[in-house]
Amino acid sequence: DVQLVETGGGLIQPGGSLRLSCAASGFIVSSNYMSWVRQAPGKGLEWLSVIYRGGTTYYADSVKGRFTISRDDSKNTLYLQMSSLRDEDTAVYYCAREVVTVGLDVWGKGTTVTVSS
Amino acid sequence: DIQVTQSPSFLSASVGDRVTITCRASQGISSFLAWYQQKPGEAPKLLIYAASTLQSGVPSRFSGSGSGTEFTLTISSLQPEDFATYYCQQLDSYPPTFGQGTRLEIK
Repeated sequence: DVQLVETGGGLIQPGGSLRLSCAASGFIVSSNYMSWVRQAPGKGLEWLSVIYRGGTTYYADSVKGRFTISRDDSKNTLYLQMSSLRDEDTAVYYCAREVVTVGLDVWGKGTTVTVSS
Repeated sequence: DIQVTQSPSFLSASVGDRVTITCRASQGISSFLAWYQQKPGEAPKLLIYAASTLQSGVPSRFSGSGSGTEFTLTISSLQPEDFATYYCQQLDSYPPTFGQGTRLEIK
């Protein structure tokens, strides 16, 4: 069964760092495009980042220079390293499999990040 | 960046109604548009891709149309499980922006 499970969320102070993980099963992360999307409380969806099969990465302007997407092929796991966190980064963070020109066809259940002092 | 505008933001309808949600892109995106459904507390679910292709397992009462800058999602006969928030997403270029969402509620 194809599945994504995010972990690593929690309460973090402004300026802090956090690493989110997304463990995949039923498919190979490194053979796919993988993305992170977030949703602030009561708000819409915001695409954050993608990593291509070959390792190329793209970021939304809102997180560029602060967030880093990566993967560990041996663990079939995607990561999002977040630093210099701000109050406005408070959200549910989803990882998803991206199919080119199709969209995000597999989603995890999300992990909640709360940035607050 | 390509801006994507959905309308309406909120829609109240009854079971059995036919409803249409519109998504407009700030520039032409061919047919590179996807629609998602999100229920409270759940992750989004891909409904339609390439503007009009139904994702596997999605009921046929859902349909999509359009190309270029204007797109529509139609639900032909609303069922109780369809009351949710719907998002469109353009996939023509990075960043793959989402519309702001349409919340569909029971009248």
